[in-house]
Amino acid sequence: GEDVEQSLFLSVREGDSSVINCTYTDSSSTYLYWYKQEPGAGLQLLTYIFSNMDMKQDQRLTVLLNKKDKHLSLRIADTQTGDSAIYFCADNQGGKLIFGQGTELSVKP
Amino acid sequence: DTEVTQTPKHLVMGMTNKKSLKCEQHMGHRAMYWYKQKAKKPPELMFVYSYEKLSINESVPSRFSPECPNSSLLNLHLHALQPEDSALYLCASSQAESLAGGYTFGSGTRLTVV
Repeated sequence: GEDVEQSLFLSVREGDSSVINCTYTDSSSTYLYWYKQEPGAGLQLLTYIFSNMDMKQDQRLTVLLNKKDKHLSLRIADTQTGDSAIYFCADNQGGKLIFGQGTELSVKP
Repeated sequence: DTEVTQTPKHLVMGMTNKKSLKCEQHMGHRAMYWYKQKAKKPPELMFVYSYEKLSINESVPSRFSPECPNSSLLNLHLHALQPEDSALYLCASSQAESLAGGYTFGSGTRLTVV
C-alpha cells in the first residue's frame, strides 16, 4: 500500500513553535489531515488541507503542503503544555484513512 | 450532536467469551469504520461500512464480526479472541468514504483479553 511517514519524536519548550513533518507517496491524494491523540483518548481532527492548496491557517495552526515533494507539515505557534500529544498525519486513499506512525510532541515548561 | 459514542469504555474478556463493542452516531454520516490501535502505534483499519453495507474488510480474522443494524449504529462482535487482540478499538464515521472533513472518531474501547 501507499506509505505515510513521520518522525517519531519532537521536544520543544513552552512558547516556542513546533513543526511536525510528514511525507506521503500517493500522488492522487485529494485531502490530507492532521489528527491529535492525547493519552488514553481517541483521535481529534485538528485540520485538513485540500491538495490544490499550499497553505491553510487556523488560529495557532499552519499547514503547509508541497505537492511536488509530497511533503506536509503542521506548525503550532506558541506551543503550550496542553499541546503535548501524538500527532498523526493521514491520507485518504480510496475510502480508507491511512495514518503515519505518529509524532510524539513533548512540551517542556 | 457531533459525537461518536462508543461503549463500553473498557472491557476485559477471557479467550472463551463472546462480547460486543457498540458505536453510535447521530450526525447523518453514511460511512462508519472500525480501527484497531496498539499503544503508541497508528490506528489500523479493520472494516468500512458504506450505506450500511460492508465495503472493506482488511483481511480481519473471523473472530471479529462487524454488524451495521442501521445508519446510526455499528457493532463489533468478538469471539474466541487471543491476548494479542488486546488494543484500543476505535469507531469513526464520515459523510461518505472519500470526502473532505475527515472522520469523526469515538474515544474508543480499551480491550484486554486474558
